[in-house]
Amino acid sequence: ETGVTQTPRHLVMGMTNKKSLKCEQHLGHNAMYWYKQSAKKPLELMFVYNFKEQTENNSVPSRFSPECPNSSHLFLHLHTLQPEDSALYLCASSYGTDTQYFGPGTRLTVL
Amino acid sequence: DAKTTQPPSMDCAEGRAANLPCNHSTISGNEYVYWYRQIHSQGPQYIIHGLKNNETNEMASLIITEDRKSSTLILPHATLRDTAVYYCIVRVAHDYKLSFGAGTTVTVRA
Repeated sequence: ETGVTQTPRHLVMGMTNKKSLKCEQHLGHNAMYWYKQSAKKPLELMFVYNFKEQTENNSVPSRFSPECPNSSHLFLHLHTLQPEDSALYLCASSYGTDTQYFGPGTRLTVL
Repeated sequence: DAKTTQPPSMDCAEGRAANLPCNHSTISGNEYVYWYRQIHSQGPQYIIHGLKNNETNEMASLIITEDRKSSTLILPHATLRDTAVYYCIVRVAHDYKLSFGAGTTVTVRA
């Protein structure tokens, strides 16, 4: 256990569905991150939030919409996804730019 | 960020030390060396990091060469549960970005 939890752990959705991924950290950190890991590919940074403010958006399509209501919670809202968006979505947190700690991930399958 | 080069895979025997090499010949003075590992389909797990001195914690030791162009992660007594992909990452100080490469797939054999 790293102190970063993610729900759900597995998600199957159709291309017309809307769903949300949730991440919560219990480490007192102020920065939170979303990463995507597609099959056979390295992790890709998607978004960075620092004290609820988005500081990084790595050219992520608008069908992925992040939300950070406070420093402990991070959401990724999904709508009209494509099958190629199927991947492991990982959340991480850190204190400033210190070491990042990752959650277990959400395995997303888009049909 | 400086790029890193790691062997794609390596095997090691259970109970023996596992020495994982990483080259980072273009590393800058303000860049740290981080190691993470990822057990199949789980989130990456932080192992250790260092700037220029050797570091040791309960999981592993990190040996950084004097010129900082390469490093070695040492798992002192490998177990089957250490089978994972190990990532060596060079990261700029005070930067949020953590760039993962392909890593080294380490298989510990009984």
